[in-house]
Amino acid sequence: AQTVTQSQPEMSVQEAETVTLSCTYDTSESNYYLFWYKQPPSRQMILVIRQEAYKQQNATENRFSVNFQKAAKSFSLKISDSQLGDTAMYFCAFMKNDYKLSFGAGTTVTVRA
Amino acid sequence: DTGVSQDPRHKITKRGQNVTFRCDPISEHNRLYWYRQTLGQGPEFLTYFQNEAQLEKSRLLSDRFSAERPKGSFSTLEIQRTEQGDSAMYLCASSESRGRRTGELFFGEGSRLTVL
Repeated sequence: AQTVTQSQPEMSVQEAETVTLSCTYDTSESNYYLFWYKQPPSRQMILVIRQEAYKQQNATENRFSVNFQKAAKSFSLKISDSQLGDTAMYFCAFMKNDYKLSFGAGTTVTVRA
Repeated sequence: DTGVSQDPRHKITKRGQNVTFRCDPISEHNRLYWYRQTLGQGPEFLTYFQNEAQLEKSRLLSDRFSAERPKGSFSTLEIQRTEQGDSAMYLCASSESRGRRTGELFFGEGSRLTVL
């Protein structure tokens, strides 16, 4: 079974600054997908960014970027120029065989004005 | 595209009662998932459908839980003889099985169950 570990239960960041969320995972697979999902308070979960394991280039989506270290099984998320709307719980997730997501416990991010 | 919708959004029931949740996925998505999320935790996989076929069930899904997707469109999740430990948010998600967005799950807002 795959395990996803998020070691930071909570993070706080000043508006316009940068915050990095860590995630490690354990798998024996060589092909898989990694995701970061965002769950705002009382709102539905939405995809922030995805990374295919076979791609060496780190994914980027506007202010969100990842640092994917396959050998170390590490997948961190950097949020640049943090905005108040980024306040949410962030989940790292792993998918193999293209169909089932396994989630970490989440990191609560609070952006301070 | 109206997104994934779930009903009811909130359900309060007494221990021992049966409850049923409904999920309407995005219309062109043939994959449908149920997850359970407790407060402050990540979602846990419960079960997965490809069209109308239930292809995987988690060990978390005891005999009191049953899920169906009779025509490959909407799905229902029924919990019989509810227990206080069943209190959680039940999330439904859907996805495509091919194309650029393969593997990306689209979630509903969830159905929150409180068992008294």
